[in-house]
Amino acid sequence: AQTIHQWPVAEIKAVGSPLSLGCTIKGKSSPNLYWYWQATGGTLQQLFYSITVGQVESVVQLNLSASRPKDDQFILSTEKLLLSHSGFYLCAWSRDWGGAEQFFGPGTRLTVL
Amino acid sequence: GDSVTQTEGQVTVSESKSLIINCTYSATSIGYPNLFWYVRYPGEGLQLLLKVITAGQKGSSRGFEATYNKEATSFHLQKASVQESDSAVYYCALSVATGGNNKLTFGQGTVLSVIP
Repeated sequence: AQTIHQWPVAEIKAVGSPLSLGCTIKGKSSPNLYWYWQATGGTLQQLFYSITVGQVESVVQLNLSASRPKDDQFILSTEKLLLSHSGFYLCAWSRDWGGAEQFFGPGTRLTVL
Repeated sequence: GDSVTQTEGQVTVSESKSLIINCTYSATSIGYPNLFWYVRYPGEGLQLLLKVITAGQKGSSRGFEATYNKEATSFHLQKASVQESDSAVYYCALSVATGGNNKLTFGQGTVLSVIP
């Protein structure tokens, strides 16, 4: 069975500080990977996707970056946090890109002060 | 771009009563949208409830049903008799696979509270 793990569970960070969120998928080789974000009171929106190691595409510009250093790992980061980065970050994977459902991790709650 | 609208932000229903959560969509991307209902139960992660990838078809799971109505661009979620354990946040979503991306576009979510 496939499992998806996100870390940390929650973060409280200062404006201007760096951030790194991680996601690991076990039990599935070469998954498609995604990052989603939901601001408080907002709608879930896709930020990045990756269909192979080393390749990441940006969907929304939020002064964030993403990387896929390993087949089963997806990292979201920034060097300087903004207040607007607060929210809930979800990592997801799918088997392929053609209509397959996506499986979500438990998420990371980020509060920027 | 693509969009999904859920008109009810919060719904309260008594146990054993029927439920309908409205969902309409607009898909401007080239290709046929696939439609989904996701659910987040208290303390749990977001999980797929049901999906339909063909217009005119109905999906069902855990007593919930939704029909992909291409003419009305709707995908309403229904259940004949809700239970307290159905209390959760429900999200309607669509995806159109384009350029290698399987981007899910979500609605705002509907909080369902079932009163015993």
